[in-house]
Amino acid sequence: ILNVEQSPQSLHVQEGDSTNFTCSFPSSNFYALHWYRWETAKSPEALFVMTLNGDEKKKGQISATLNTKEGYSYLYIKGSQPEDSATYLCAFRGRGSTLGRLYFGRGTQLTVWP
Amino acid sequence: DGGITQSPKYLFRKEGQNVTLSCEQNLNHDAMYWYRQDPGQGLRLIYYSQIVNDFQKGDIAEGYSVSREKKESFPLTVTSAQKNPTAFYLCASKPGLAGAGEQFFGPGTRLTVL
Repeated sequence: ILNVEQSPQSLHVQEGDSTNFTCSFPSSNFYALHWYRWETAKSPEALFVMTLNGDEKKKGQISATLNTKEGYSYLYIKGSQPEDSATYLCAFRGRGSTLGRLYFGRGTQLTVWP
Repeated sequence: DGGITQSPKYLFRKEGQNVTLSCEQNLNHDAMYWYRQDPGQGLRLIYYSQIVNDFQKGDIAEGYSVSREKKESFPLTVTSAQKNPTAFYLCASKPGLAGAGEQFFGPGTRLTVL
């Protein structure tokens, strides 16, 4: 079983603060790194799928970077809003992974206070 | 609307009983997955399937069984052999095996054993 680590486990910020969190994964046999947002009482939804070292992706005020050589990805939220409150999951897929299976981290729970 | 449905949303089971969780998708996806979530843990893979009548064990398959008689359906049975079945269960699907594409998730079923 592959080890995917996320930090911090939880984060509380004020509206308007910028924040970032980390996902660490094995640096060998990398194929893809996924980020999902999971809001309470909803289904997890994909934010980004990243495949290339140095990839940077952006969706609105959320962006992510990827370093496959050292095995980490950062997720940034600029100017957090209460609606950004959710658990953010990252998931690693290795090369040769059967049926596209993913290995998930434990998530970072973000709470944005108005 | 295309998507993944899971039913029921909440399920209560007496010890020693088998129970089946439903997962249906109308996205025409080939691959389907079952995950379990426990407090403080990442999503853990129970079973996955790429095609009708074929499925593979994930990391925590003991005490569970699945079937894939139709492309759109992937029910999970929690048997009495599962020692600690109380958890939140998520079903997911993916368009195909190839590619780094995201998984699409259902809303989940919370199972409580009384």
